[in-house]
Amino acid sequence: EVQLLESGGGLVQPGGSLRLSCAASGFAFSGNAMSWVRQAPGKGLEWVSGINAGGFSTHYADSVKGRFTISRDNSKNTLYLQMNSLRAEDTAVYHCARDQGALVDTCTIRDWGQGTLVTVSS
Amino acid sequence: QSALTQPASVSGSPGQSITISCTGTSSDVGSYNLVSWYQQHPGKAPKLMIYEVSKWPSGVSNRFSGSKSGNTASLTISGLQAEDEADYYCCSYASSRSYVFGTGTKVTVL
Repeated sequence: EVQLLESGGGLVQPGGSLRLSCAASGFAFSGNAMSWVRQAPGKGLEWVSGINAGGFSTHYADSVKGRFTISRDNSKNTLYLQMNSLRAEDTAVYHCARDQGALVDTCTIRDWGQGTLVTVSS
Repeated sequence: QSALTQPASVSGSPGQSITISCTGTSSDVGSYNLVSWYQQHPGKAPKLMIYEVSKWPSGVSNRFSGSKSGNTASLTISGLQAEDEADYYCCSYASSRSYVFGTGTKVTVL
């Protein structure tokens, strides 16, 4: 059974930083691209960032480009999202997501974590 | 990277069919047969219902079907059931290796 367990969320002040982690199990982690998708309270889904299976190619939504960095450690089956210069509009539940293939090229997300809440507020 | 446009709400009676539209541009929906649909019940993670416009993941009922014409993709739910009441989101691959989700549609079973 595929499991994606996010951690690292919490309350942070505007301008602050936070690092999210996603521990993956139940599949060959190094074989799949991974994404982060967020959902603001009462709002819709927003793709944030994706990384290919090997970790060599990363992609970002315009709303986070230059502030967020996605990475992965295939030896630890773990996905990360480093979030800097956080803004109130970054407040959301952040889901870790397993893409269908090895590249960020389909928006076919087979598995989702339950998410971790990030609140940006003073 | 503007969100794809979906109707805010769609409703139907049990047994009826409903269709949810998802309108994008020639940079996303119109250029790629890479539209997927997700179902989300309150407080739950999204679930993949359709991928690559019209394909079913294993375990998903064939009451759900997808199609695309030009810049607009559609999800049809046939034989509407109470358990289908949920939020539905489309998603498309877009240029520059990014994904764009739809605005979301709340389906109500009357």
